[in-house]
Amino acid sequence: EPEVTQTPSHQVTQMGQEVILRCVPISNHLYFYWYRQILGQKVEFLVSFYNNEISEKSEIFDDQFSVERPDGSNFTLKIRSTKLEDSAMYFCASRDLRDSPLHFGNGTRLTVT
Amino acid sequence: GQQLNQSPQSMFIQEGEDVSMNCTSSSIFNTWLWYKQDPGEGPVLLIALYKAGELTSNGRLTAQFGTTRKDSFLNISASIPSDVGIYFCAGLKGQNFVFGPGTRLSVLP
Repeated sequence: EPEVTQTPSHQVTQMGQEVILRCVPISNHLYFYWYRQILGQKVEFLVSFYNNEISEKSEIFDDQFSVERPDGSNFTLKIRSTKLEDSAMYFCASRDLRDSPLHFGNGTRLTVT
Repeated sequence: GQQLNQSPQSMFIQEGEDVSMNCTSSSIFNTWLWYKQDPGEGPVLLIALYKAGELTSNGRLTAQFGTTRKDSFLNISASIPSDVGIYFCAGLKGQNFVFGPGTRLSVLP
């Protein structure tokens, strides 16, 4: 069964550094998402992306965050200058049709020291 | 904002027991999803619901889309140890899914 794949599985970075989290959504999917989950808490929406542009973003997704689909397969989340509170699991998700369910990757655990 | 509430927050049950949990909101949602998350992994889709009143099963799991479109229920029958995990509901409004805080299920042998 097709999967959403995310790399790396764990990223450790120093405060103030830039990080890029990578995702390969399921190949025929059209809608792409990033969610965040701080340890022990709920899954929080960051941003949705459709037709090569951001369709919606939350208040968490401030100017430090950006997303890109640089080619036909990758979908990336960049955090320009990481803060301690950015430490969390970051999940990429995708879906094919407007009302179809989300399929999640296994996440990247970001640790900011 | 569009908040989802889940109850109970956590539950401890004996293996073989049935489980019920629910998800409520003050807002109407067009689609309800139920996910299970194991430690260190991403949420895995269990059941998707698309119409008010819809009742859908997936093995020992049954979920219902509430008739008011503001709630959904998940039942697990004859629980087994691998049912342990966090169960999240998610509601779709527009193109965005909003997640509940989860119900943590522990199954005692």
